[in-house]
Amino acid sequence: QKEVEQNSGPLSVPEGAIASLNCTYSDRGSQSFFWYRQYSGKSPELIMSIYSNGDKEDGRFTAQLNKASQYVSLLIRDSQPSDSATYLCAVNQAGTALIFGKGTTLSVSS
Amino acid sequence: GAGVSQSPSNKVTEKGKDVELRCDPISGHTALYWYRQSLGQGLEFLIYFQGNSAPDKSGLPSDRFSAERTGGSVSTLTIQRTQQEDSAVYLCASSGSGYEQYFGPGTRLTVT
Repeated sequence: QKEVEQNSGPLSVPEGAIASLNCTYSDRGSQSFFWYRQYSGKSPELIMSIYSNGDKEDGRFTAQLNKASQYVSLLIRDSQPSDSATYLCAVNQAGTALIFGKGTTLSVSS
Repeated sequence: GAGVSQSPSNKVTEKGKDVELRCDPISGHTALYWYRQSLGQGLEFLIYFQGNSAPDKSGLPSDRFSAERTGGSVSTLTIQRTQQEDSAVYLCASSGSGYEQYFGPGTRLTVT
């Protein structure tokens, strides 16, 4: 069974720090990797996508992919209280349904 | 531009009744997905439509669940004879030429 694993948290960081969120997946055929942010009572919002090994940066967010280790991570620099949310890792083979982890809750204290 | 829209935003129904949930994907998006999220649970895939191809129904939990997509755009998810375990947030997502999926606001279904 294809699985995506994340630590549930909560991960607590002070404002301005770097938050590091991690995810592992079981299906070596996975081709697409995504991070979604979900605020309480809201739907998931896509924040990063990554398709090839290495780092991808977008503003304060950096996604890292290591297919050999079946590992995806998300770094949030200069964390803000508004970043407090649940972060969902999702993977799929191109164009198919996403397989989600259960999410990591991030709490950023001011 | 306009995102994915879903209606109703909330639905309360009695056990045993049928319900219909609607999804309007982003204009031009050919792929449409239904997921559900139960309290404390992860996001669970239900069904996937891609263009005019036969839908991937592999995630539907029982034959009480069905979905259709008319004209390659709007989709309706139907749950017959609802049960209390059907209570969840039902989420619709769409994607275009890329692989990113964009979610609608969801429909919160409560079965009493």
